[in-house]
Amino acid sequence: AQSVTQPDIHITVSEGASLELRCNYSYGATPYLFWYVQSPGQGLQLLLKYFSGDTLVQGIKGFEAEFKRSQSSFNLRKPSVHWSDAAEYFCAVGTNFGNEKLTFGTGTRLTIIP
Amino acid sequence: DGGITQSPKYLFRKEGQNVTLSCEQNLNHDAMYWYRQDPGQGLRLIYYSQIVNDFQKGDIAEGYSVSREKKESFPLTVTSAQKNPTAFYLCASRSQGGNLHFGNGTRLTVT
Repeated sequence: AQSVTQPDIHITVSEGASLELRCNYSYGATPYLFWYVQSPGQGLQLLLKYFSGDTLVQGIKGFEAEFKRSQSSFNLRKPSVHWSDAAEYFCAVGTNFGNEKLTFGTGTRLTIIP
Repeated sequence: DGGITQSPKYLFRKEGQNVTLSCEQNLNHDAMYWYRQDPGQGLRLIYYSQIVNDFQKGDIAEGYSVSREKKESFPLTVTSAQKNPTAFYLCASRSQGGNLHFGNGTRLTVT
């Protein structure tokens, strides 16, 4: 079975600083990878996804993520964070396009300080 | 606008009572899901349905039940057999592109 690890429970960065959120997955074949963002008390919104092709994927709100098969990682990055980026971020893995079961990590809460 | 509607946003029940959470979608998606979210545990899959009149158990189905009589609707019943029902419940549907579209959740408190 697939699994996802987000090693950082909580990260604090200054507004304008760069950001990298870590995600490691476990799965024997090529995974389908997602990053979602959740504001307090709300549902999740898709930031970006990787299915195949270019390993650097661009998403909404200026986020990008890079798939590194050798490291089983799919880290999320943003060059300059804004106060509105404060939220919880979830990495998720699916095993194939027809498999409906996404497995989510435990999330990373991002705090932005002025 | 197309989307997932969950109602109510907050729900309070006494222990021992069954309660049904509503989930409606107008995205014309075939597959729908229920997840439970607890602090520090991420999202855990309760049930999912790939098509009308069919559904499968997820990782934590005990104490829950669902039905899928219409494409647009996927209600979740939290039964009295669920030992720790207080949680935030999220409903989602899956697009052709493979990603999930989520509702805004229902926070259930059982006392």
